[in-house]
Amino acid sequence: GAVVSQHPSWVICKSGTSVKIECRSLDFQATTMFWYRQFPKQSLMLMATSNEGSKATYEQGVEKDKFLINHASLTLSTLTVTSAHPEDSSFYICSARRQGFSYEQYFGPGTRLTVT
Amino acid sequence: QQQVKQSPQSLIVQKGGISIINCAYENTAFDYFPWYQQFPGKGPALLIAIRPDVSEKKEGRFTISFNKSAKQFSLHIMDSQPGDSATYFCAASSNTDKLIFGTGTRLQVFP
Repeated sequence: GAVVSQHPSWVICKSGTSVKIECRSLDFQATTMFWYRQFPKQSLMLMATSNEGSKATYEQGVEKDKFLINHASLTLSTLTVTSAHPEDSSFYICSARRQGFSYEQYFGPGTRLTVT
Repeated sequence: QQQVKQSPQSLIVQKGGISIINCAYENTAFDYFPWYQQFPGKGPALLIAIRPDVSEKKEGRFTISFNKSAKQFSLHIMDSQPGDSATYFCAASSNTDKLIFGTGTRLQVFP
């Protein structure tokens, strides 16, 4: 149990376009979902925390207008990278916290974004 | 202080040996300490976690040792196997707050 999926697993887009990444909890309801960014050989950097039905809370230094997060239901959160630029190329990973289990976070497989 | 300090940065162990990764924290409000395993190009997978009311937790070949007074915790991988070669992250959180991750340890197990 506690499976989190992400779609797509990798995406290549042109500079200036927008890309949407989906994060789904497949076998549980997630009250809270998190979005991380990871650069090669580095740790995970939390971008934002989202709770179902409310606005996301962004970490300091993360542009809200560039990284749009929507937590539409207890099983789905989306991250949209707007007007993508090459410096947005990265590995984006979501995680979900199970409803009723306040500590455990389960991570998705990640999405590799390349902006050309 | 929200930091979690992790060491070593990289670790090379022979097959069958014991791998030990250490983490230290400052925030005494932290009360949940998980370890994650990450393979290249994949998301982290929850390996094992501990709460501060116990000093040790074992699951198979993986053991967490926790020292509350020293504010340190460590991951021990017994009988290390080549398939254990991955990056390991410790983390900490308090209550339902966000996870604070360590910097990661790249483990290589040679046959």
